[in-house]
Amino acid sequence: DMKVTQMPRYLIKRMGENVLLECGQDMSHETMYWYRQDPGLGLQLIYISYDVDSNSEGDIPKGYRVSRKKREHFSLILDSAKTNQTSVYFCASSLSGQSNERLFFGHGTKLSVL
Amino acid sequence: KTQVEQSPQSLVVRQGENCVLQCNYSVTPDNHLRWFKQDTGKGLVSLTVLVDQKDKTSNGRYSATLDKDAKHSTLHITATLLDDTATYICVVGDRGSALGRLHFGAGTQLIVIP
Repeated sequence: DMKVTQMPRYLIKRMGENVLLECGQDMSHETMYWYRQDPGLGLQLIYISYDVDSNSEGDIPKGYRVSRKKREHFSLILDSAKTNQTSVYFCASSLSGQSNERLFFGHGTKLSVL
Repeated sequence: KTQVEQSPQSLVVRQGENCVLQCNYSVTPDNHLRWFKQDTGKGLVSLTVLVDQKDKTSNGRYSATLDKDAKHSTLHITATLLDDTATYICVVGDRGSALGRLHFGAGTQLIVIP
């Protein structure tokens, strides 16, 4: 069905709480990504996962960690969320991680940290 | 420093009119350039990818150009429809490999009015 699904769509948390954002894809793509999108800025890469348990930091990994135990599933974890982590988070996937491959994006998770 | 600049920041056109969106970048090397459409509250959807030194693509009412010498790309939308209302994002890939990184512009917000 060629889909990237993110859960939840909206999330409100208090500062210091833990946050779990989930992402799934049904295309057997090897590579998955987490980005954040803030007003007036381009998407910023948080983490890349090249396959199960093969994760690399992106450009802004501080304050985040990821988990990929199954190829179709990639989680973003915020331990002790901060107010500056309020953002829209996008998960994406591509077949094998070549940068010129087509990227498939989820609909995003809007996270508000109060 | 922002390496992908898009202009205008926002644009309002009447249904049926044509419009042109601009993308200037300083990313080096510049392997490819992709245009995405992002509907409000949704993920990014790829419209077209440009690869050659001087490249042109066409996808229905969307056409795009790339001039790598000038590090400049345009996205033309012909006979705009209300459904074209969205943010259009220019993305430059610096390599065509798994080591490559994508550099995102902040987008041009297009509003099509009746």
